[in-house]
Amino acid sequence: GQQLNQSPQSMFIQEGEDVSMNCTSSSIFNTWLWYKQDPGEGPVLLIALYKAGELTSNGRLTAQFGITRKDSFLNISASIPSDVGIYFCAGLGRETSGSRLTFGEGTQLTVNP
Amino acid sequence: NAGVMQNPRHLVRRRGQEARLRCSPMKGHSHVYWYRQLPEEGLKFMVYLQKENIIDESGMPKERFSAEFPKEGPSILRIQQVVRGDSAAYFCASSLGTGSEAFFGQGTRLTVV
Repeated sequence: GQQLNQSPQSMFIQEGEDVSMNCTSSSIFNTWLWYKQDPGEGPVLLIALYKAGELTSNGRLTAQFGITRKDSFLNISASIPSDVGIYFCAGLGRETSGSRLTFGEGTQLTVNP
Repeated sequence: NAGVMQNPRHLVRRRGQEARLRCSPMKGHSHVYWYRQLPEEGLKFMVYLQKENIIDESGMPKERFSAEFPKEGPSILRIQQVVRGDSAAYFCASSLGTGSEAFFGQGTRLTVV
């Protein structure tokens, strides 16, 4: 089955630093999504990527859909304390019935003021 | 436009009882996913449904678990004869269709005592 390898598992950074995390897969995905989850809450969609090579920004967040369609990265610039949380990548496979959203294991981000 | 609504937010059941978790998708969404999340872990796919159809249930345990998404009303995840190992957060997500971005509810936290 499809699997996503997300790294790093955790990060401890100082406020103001930039952050980068990535996901890789042995399978091709048609869509990459990045979510953030705060404690006790559901994942919130941050960025959606639909085309290989696409680079998309949302405020301080930037994400790219890899050319090979097997990887994606998320960058957070000038981190602030409220960036703390778990970040998940997710991929959607072929656009046929049965396609499901597959998640990475998450990156736990801690920002020290 | 209300988001994905899950209820209850918290559910406590004794071993052997039944748990029924409800998910109302976003307006206009006809696709629903269910995921399970254990503490400190990622999101594990359970089942993917469209209205009145189960598309992919490869992540569902073979026994005691069932899901439905009727023509009218919310999607239901049903766990019969619950055991302590069923304690987890259960998240529902909805989307417009295959390949579309998915939006999550706030989850139901099931505790089996």
